[in-house]
Amino acid sequence: GQQLNQSPQSMFIQEGEDVSMNCTSSSIFNTWLWYKQDPGEGPVLLIALYKAGELTSNGRLTAQFGITRKDSFLNISASIPSDVGIYFCAGQRAGHSNYQLIWGAGTKLIIKP
Amino acid sequence: GAGVSQSPSNKVTEKGKDVELRCDPISGHTALYWYRQSLGQGLEFLIYFQGNSAPDKSGLPSDRFSAERTGGSVSTLTIQRTQQEDSAVYLCASSLGYVGYTFGSGTRLTVV
Repeated sequence: GQQLNQSPQSMFIQEGEDVSMNCTSSSIFNTWLWYKQDPGEGPVLLIALYKAGELTSNGRLTAQFGITRKDSFLNISASIPSDVGIYFCAGQRAGHSNYQLIWGAGTKLIIKP
Repeated sequence: GAGVSQSPSNKVTEKGKDVELRCDPISGHTALYWYRQSLGQGLEFLIYFQGNSAPDKSGLPSDRFSAERTGGSVSTLTIQRTQQEDSAVYLCASSLGYVGYTFGSGTRLTVV
Protein backbone atom coordinates (compact mmCIF):
# COMPACT_ATOMS: atom_id res chain seq x y z
CA GLY A 1 0.00 0.00 0.00
CA GLN A 2 0.94 3.63 -0.27
CA GLN A 3 3.35 4.90 2.35
CA LEU A 4 4.94 8.13 3.31
CA ASN A 5 8.69 8.43 2.89
CA GLN A 6 9.97 8.43 6.44
CA SER A 7 13.64 8.87 7.29
CA PRO A 8 15.91 7.86 8.71
CA GLN A 9 14.97 4.20 8.96
CA SER A 10 16.91 3.90 12.22
CA MET A 11 19.02 6.06 14.46
CA PHE A 12 21.73 5.16 16.95
CA ILE A 13 22.18 8.02 19.38
CA GLN A 14 23.81 8.80 22.70
CA GLU A 15 21.63 9.65 25.65
CA GLY A 16 21.24 13.41 25.81
CA GLU A 17 21.48 13.95 22.06
CA ASP A 18 18.81 15.66 20.03
CA VAL A 19 16.95 13.59 17.42
CA SER A 20 15.31 14.63 14.18
CA MET A 21 13.20 12.60 11.77
CA ASN A 22 10.91 13.52 8.92
CA CYS A 23 8.26 12.38 6.51
CA THR A 24 7.74 13.51 2.96
CA SER A 25 5.22 12.79 0.25
CA SER A 26 4.26 13.88 -3.23
CA SER A 27 0.68 14.24 -1.98
CA ILE A 28 -0.83 17.13 -0.02
CA PHE A 29 -2.00 16.38 3.50
CA ASN A 30 -4.63 17.98 5.72
CA THR A 31 -3.37 16.42 8.93
CA TRP A 32 -0.05 15.04 10.12
CA LEU A 33 0.24 12.76 13.12
CA TRP A 34 3.25 11.37 14.96
CA TYR A 35 3.01 8.11 16.90
CA LYS A 36 5.41 6.08 19.02
CA GLN A 37 5.29 2.31 19.27
CA ASP A 38 6.94 0.37 22.08
CA PRO A 39 7.72 -3.35 21.63
CA GLY A 40 4.61 -5.51 21.88
CA GLU A 41 2.29 -2.53 22.00
CA GLY A 42 0.17 -0.57 19.59
CA PRO A 43 1.23 2.94 18.48
CA VAL A 44 0.42 5.84 20.79
CA LEU A 45 -0.34 9.32 19.49
CA LEU A 46 2.31 11.90 20.40
CA ILE A 47 1.44 15.00 18.41
CA ALA A 48 -1.28 15.99 15.92
CA LEU A 49 -0.84 18.84 13.41
CA TYR A 50 -3.74 20.42 11.52
CA LYS A 51 -2.43 23.48 9.70
CA ALA A 52 0.43 24.22 7.32
CA GLY A 53 3.31 25.80 9.21
CA GLU A 54 1.97 24.70 12.59
CA LEU A 55 4.65 24.01 15.18
CA THR A 56 3.52 22.00 18.21
CA SER A 57 5.39 20.78 21.27
CA ASN A 58 4.71 17.99 23.72
CA GLY A 59 7.37 18.09 26.42
CA ARG A 60 10.71 17.40 24.75
CA LEU A 61 9.01 16.62 21.44
CA THR A 62 8.39 19.23 18.75
CA ALA A 63 6.72 18.61 15.42
CA GLN A 64 5.97 20.84 12.46
CA PHE A 65 3.51 20.69 9.58
CA GLY A 66 5.45 21.70 6.47
CA ILE A 67 4.44 24.84 4.58
CA THR A 68 3.99 22.86 1.36
CA ARG A 69 1.68 20.44 3.25
CA LYS A 70 3.77 17.61 1.82
CA ASP A 71 6.08 17.04 4.76
CA SER A 72 6.46 17.04 8.51
CA PHE A 73 9.29 16.61 10.99
CA LEU A 74 9.60 15.48 14.58
CA ASN A 75 12.40 16.57 16.90
CA ILE A 76 13.22 15.06 20.27
CA SER A 77 15.50 17.10 22.50
CA ALA A 78 17.88 15.68 25.11
CA SER A 79 16.97 12.05 24.49
CA ILE A 80 16.53 9.67 27.41
CA PRO A 81 16.42 5.84 27.49
CA SER A 82 12.62 5.69 27.46
CA ASP A 83 12.58 7.45 24.09
CA VAL A 84 13.68 4.15 22.53
CA GLY A 85 11.05 2.75 20.20
CA ILE A 86 9.66 3.12 16.71
CA TYR A 87 8.25 6.48 15.65
CA PHE A 88 5.66 6.62 12.88
CA CYS A 89 4.33 9.53 10.94
CA ALA A 90 0.81 9.29 9.55
CA GLY A 91 -1.21 11.67 7.46
CA GLN A 92 -4.68 12.27 6.17
CA ARG A 93 -4.52 13.24 2.51
CA ALA A 94 -6.43 16.13 1.05
CA GLY A 95 -9.37 14.96 -1.04
CA HIS A 96 -9.53 11.54 0.61
CA SER A 97 -11.65 10.03 3.34
CA ASN A 98 -10.68 11.60 6.61
CA TYR A 99 -10.51 8.30 8.46
CA GLN A 100 -7.95 6.72 6.14
CA LEU A 101 -4.45 7.48 7.31
CA ILE A 102 -1.32 6.86 5.26
CA TRP A 103 1.63 5.65 7.34
CA GLY A 104 5.38 5.97 7.14
CA ALA A 105 7.49 2.82 7.60
CA GLY A 106 8.83 4.09 10.92
CA THR A 107 12.06 5.37 12.43
CA LYS A 108 13.62 3.03 14.96
CA LEU A 109 15.39 4.93 17.73
CA ILE A 110 18.16 3.09 19.55
CA ILE A 111 20.25 4.55 22.33
CA LYS A 112 23.89 3.49 22.33
CA PRO A 113 25.02 2.06 25.68
CA GLY B 1 -12.88 -1.19 29.37
CA ALA B 2 -10.18 1.40 29.78
CA GLY B 3 -8.38 0.52 26.59
CA VAL B 4 -8.70 -1.45 23.38
CA SER B 5 -8.42 -5.15 24.12
CA GLN B 6 -7.31 -7.68 21.52
CA SER B 7 -7.23 -11.44 21.75
CA PRO B 8 -5.38 -13.63 21.41
CA SER B 9 -2.11 -11.75 21.82
CA ASN B 10 -0.29 -14.45 19.88
CA LYS B 11 -1.59 -17.04 17.45
CA VAL B 12 0.33 -19.74 15.63
CA THR B 13 -1.65 -21.58 13.00
CA GLU B 14 -1.02 -24.05 10.25
CA LYS B 15 -1.22 -22.95 6.65
CA GLY B 16 -4.72 -23.50 5.31
CA LYS B 17 -6.51 -23.14 8.65
CA ASP B 18 -8.98 -20.37 9.47
CA VAL B 19 -8.32 -17.91 12.30
CA GLU B 20 -10.44 -15.40 14.18
CA LEU B 21 -9.00 -12.32 15.83
CA ARG B 22 -11.07 -10.38 18.33
CA CYS B 23 -11.15 -6.69 19.23
CA ASP B 24 -12.99 -5.05 22.14
CA PRO B 25 -12.95 -1.30 21.52
CA ILE B 26 -13.18 1.44 24.10
CA SER B 27 -16.75 1.75 25.30
CA GLY B 28 -18.57 4.52 23.44
CA HIS B 29 -16.12 4.73 20.55
CA THR B 30 -18.12 4.61 17.36
CA ALA B 31 -15.24 4.05 14.95
CA LEU B 32 -13.22 0.84 14.78
CA TYR B 33 -10.28 0.09 12.53
CA TRP B 34 -8.22 -2.95 11.69
CA TYR B 35 -4.64 -2.54 10.51
CA ARG B 36 -1.94 -5.01 9.59
CA GLN B 37 1.71 -4.42 10.42
CA SER B 38 4.32 -6.58 8.76
CA LEU B 39 7.85 -6.77 10.15
CA GLY B 40 9.71 -3.53 9.56
CA GLN B 41 6.76 -1.91 7.84
CA GLY B 42 4.25 0.76 8.61
CA LEU B 43 0.58 0.13 9.16
CA GLU B 44 -1.61 -1.17 6.35
CA PHE B 45 -5.29 -0.21 6.55
CA LEU B 46 -7.65 -3.18 6.31
CA ILE B 47 -11.19 -2.16 7.27
CA TYR B 48 -13.12 0.63 8.99
CA PHE B 49 -16.44 0.52 10.85
CA GLN B 50 -18.37 3.65 11.78
CA GLY B 51 -21.57 3.26 13.76
CA ASN B 52 -24.26 1.53 11.76
CA SER B 53 -22.85 2.57 8.39
CA ALA B 54 -21.61 0.04 5.86
CA PRO B 55 -17.94 -0.71 6.60
CA ASP B 56 -15.16 0.44 4.32
CA LYS B 57 -13.55 -2.84 3.28
CA SER B 58 -11.30 -1.33 0.64
CA GLY B 59 -8.10 -2.37 2.43
CA LEU B 60 -8.83 -6.07 2.76
CA PRO B 61 -6.11 -7.79 0.70
CA SER B 62 -8.21 -10.71 -0.55
CA ASP B 63 -11.59 -12.39 -0.19
CA ARG B 64 -10.06 -14.66 2.42
CA PHE B 65 -10.27 -11.71 4.81
CA SER B 66 -13.53 -10.60 6.37
CA ALA B 67 -14.60 -8.69 9.46
CA GLU B 68 -17.74 -8.14 11.46
CA ARG B 69 -18.71 -5.74 14.17
CA THR B 70 -21.61 -6.91 16.27
CA GLY B 71 -23.86 -4.48 18.10
CA GLY B 72 -21.54 -1.61 17.30
CA SER B 73 -18.96 -2.92 19.74
CA VAL B 74 -16.86 -6.08 19.50
CA SER B 75 -15.26 -6.85 16.15
CA THR B 76 -13.89 -10.09 14.73
CA LEU B 77 -11.41 -10.28 11.88
CA THR B 78 -11.49 -13.66 10.15
CA ILE B 79 -8.81 -14.98 7.84
CA GLN B 80 -9.76 -18.11 5.94
CA ARG B 81 -7.29 -20.61 4.52
CA THR B 82 -4.33 -18.78 6.01
CA GLN B 83 -1.16 -18.36 3.97
CA GLN B 84 2.37 -17.67 5.18
CA GLU B 85 2.21 -14.13 3.82
CA ASP B 86 -0.64 -13.48 6.27
CA SER B 87 1.89 -13.60 9.13
CA ALA B 88 1.92 -10.15 10.72
CA VAL B 89 0.72 -8.19 13.72
CA TYR B 90 -2.95 -7.30 13.40
CA LEU B 91 -3.80 -4.09 15.22
CA CYS B 92 -7.23 -2.84 16.14
CA ALA B 93 -7.96 0.78 17.02
CA SER B 94 -11.05 2.67 18.07
CA SER B 95 -11.90 6.34 18.19
CA LEU B 96 -14.62 8.95 18.39
CA GLY B 97 -12.93 10.85 15.57
CA TYR B 98 -10.03 9.79 13.37
CA VAL B 99 -7.42 11.74 15.25
CA GLY B 100 -8.00 10.14 18.61
CA TYR B 101 -7.10 6.60 17.54
CA THR B 102 -6.38 4.31 20.50
CA PHE B 103 -4.67 1.11 19.47
CA GLY B 104 -4.77 -2.28 21.12
CA SER B 105 -1.59 -4.24 21.68
CA GLY B 106 -2.24 -6.35 18.61
CA THR B 107 -2.40 -10.02 17.74
CA ARG B 108 0.82 -11.50 16.41
CA LEU B 109 -0.19 -14.10 13.83
CA THR B 110 2.32 -16.66 12.65
CA VAL B 111 1.34 -19.05 9.87
CA VAL B 112 3.58 -22.10 9.70
